[in-house]
Order: sequence, then C-alpha cells, then structure tokens
Amino acid sequence: DVKVTQSSRYLVKRTGEKVFLECVQDMDHENMFWYRQDPGLGLRLIYFSYDVKMKEKGDIPEGYSVSREKKERFSLILESASTNQTSMYLCASSFGVQTQYFGPGTRLLVL
Amino acid sequence: AQKVTQAQTEISVVEKEDVTLDCVYETRDTTYYLFWYKQPPSGELVFLIRRNSFDEQNEISGRYSWNFQKSTSSFNFTITASQVVDSAVYFCALSEPNYGGSQGNLIFGKGTKLSVKP
Repeated sequence: DVKVTQSSRYLVKRTGEKVFLECVQDMDHENMFWYRQDPGLGLRLIYFSYDVKMKEKGDIPEGYSVSREKKERFSLILESASTNQTSMYLCASSFGVQTQYFGPGTRLLVL
Repeated sequence: AQKVTQAQTEISVVEKEDVTLDCVYETRDTTYYLFWYKQPPSGELVFLIRRNSFDEQNEISGRYSWNFQKSTSSFNFTITASQVVDSAVYFCALSEPNYGGSQGNLIFGKGTKLSVKP
C-alpha cells in the first residue's frame, strides 16, 4: 500500500512565524505535490516536484516555497505566515502520470 | 480549456437510497484520465477510481459504480443502497498527460458533499 504521511495533523502558528510542513512517501514516487484546500475554492496546487531538487510552481505559489532534498520527502515552507494562509494543506505523490495518493492533511491555523 | 464541473454542491439522502454524483469535464486532448476521490470528515483524500479516455467501459465495485460517457463528457458516480459511512465530500478530477507534463497534474472539481442520514 502507498503511504503518504504528513508531519502534523493540526498546527497553530502566529503571524510572521516561519512554518515547515513536511511530507514523506514510501513508494519511491518521483512526483510530489502540495495543495491547499479552502471552502468554496476546492483544491489548488501550490507547488510540485518531479525529481530531487526540482520544483515547479503550481497555481498559487505566492507566499510559499518548497524543498526536495531527498526523493521521499517534500517540504512546504511558509516564510512568514499570514492569516490568509490558514487552510488545510494536502500532500500527494505519484509515479509518472499515474494516480496521485494523498496524505492525511495538515490543518494550519495562523493567528 | 480544461475544466471539471461538479454542479451538485451538496446532496442529502436517507440511508439505503441510491445516489448519483455528477461530473462533467472539458479537455483539450484525446488522451486523458479521470478520477474520483472521497474525502471523509477526517480529511484525507482517498482514491476510488481512475479511468483512461480510451476505456469507456462502466465499472462496478461493490455498491459503487461509474458511468463514463465521452459523448456527453461525463463521468458520473453512483452509490447504491447508500450508508451513513458514505457521508463525505467526493471530488472528480481530470489529468491531461500531454499538457500537464509527465507529472499528471490534476484538475479538480469543487466537490460534492454527500450526507447520508440514518
């Protein structure tokens, strides 16, 4: 079974803090993705990576950065968290154009 | 342009009723993939099914069935004899490998929230 894990299920941070969200997959997938999910807006792609040290912007990359130093790990970084980044963050991984498998999600609250 | 439309925002049924969730898509290509995911209250997106554009055979898996019709650009999902555990948000998604790159980027619909009452 594909296993995608995220470092936290719930996170509370203060405005201006640097926030790291980590995602790990155990299936040797080359592709990894970060989405945010908001009511009424659905899932929106923030960044994705198709290989170690490679990254591509998704639809809403502003205010975020990513890091992929190892194949199994993909980190999402909020350099200076803001209240409008309060959201549900979902990580996914896939092999080629195959099915994306998702982690359990992190609910981030920025106060 | 590619797009996925789930016109039903919320559906409420009573247990044991059949329910169909609609999904209509727009695509630029003849090669594409369609997906359904389930998101229970816990938040994780659970993969249900993947179909490629060359396979229009309907699929049945237990109480779940999917009707793929290229003529109407639809990929509808039916739950037969619904149960309370089916309560979730269901997302339809589209992938166009020739345009989205080798990563198979997904375009999601906005989701349909299904509530099954006992």
